[in-house]
Amino acid sequence: AQSVSQHNHHVILSEAASLELGCNYSYGGTVNLFWYVQYPGQHLQLLLKYFSGDPLVKGIKGFEAEFIKSKFSFNLRKPSVQWSDTAEYFCAVNGRMDSSYKLIFGSGTRLLVRP
Amino acid sequence: DAGITQSPRHKVTETGTPVTLRCHQTENHRYMYWYRQDPGHGLRLIHYSYGVKDTDKGEVSDGYSVSRSKTEDFLLTLESATSSQTSVYFCAISTTPPGVEQYFGPGTRLTVT
Repeated sequence: AQSVSQHNHHVILSEAASLELGCNYSYGGTVNLFWYVQYPGQHLQLLLKYFSGDPLVKGIKGFEAEFIKSKFSFNLRKPSVQWSDTAEYFCAVNGRMDSSYKLIFGSGTRLLVRP
Repeated sequence: DAGITQSPRHKVTETGTPVTLRCHQTENHRYMYWYRQDPGHGLRLIHYSYGVKDTDKGEVSDGYSVSRSKTEDFLLTLESATSSQTSVYFCAISTTPPGVEQYFGPGTRLTVT
């Protein structure tokens, strides 16, 4: 079955700490991968995406993610978090051959950054 | 911002009543989606549309129906609301290849009492 797993449900960090959020997927085929962020009370915004090419992708606000095909992983990283990064983060996948383009989401990781 | 609006933004309704949520887009995207967001479940797809009058079910479609009579509008209907349908509902559009990305509306918080 197609699924996305985010193993860290809640993460608490102090400002300037480094961040890594895990994402693993199960999908029978070539995939596109996404990270979305949802700030408190807001809608989801695209943080970064991977379609093909360089497996290390850079997104907005200093975030990056690395696609490791052999591990079916797409972990999100940021070298130094800020209080304003407090949000919920969702990993998502869709199949490159799926003409519906529908996304399968992980259950999300809530990040709290303490000033 | 892909020009997506949702109405209403908040609604409280009673069990057994019908409810319709509206999603409106201004950029003529062919693909539109309805998701529900619940704690611990992320977002789950309810229904999606790939054109006017072309719709299909997602993973949690029971109790929901949709309609799309115009490109810009995608309606989600709860025929007889239940408390298990209390949730936040997000509409989304997808761009199409070569760049496939989904953009989300602001959400509708629905409470069924």
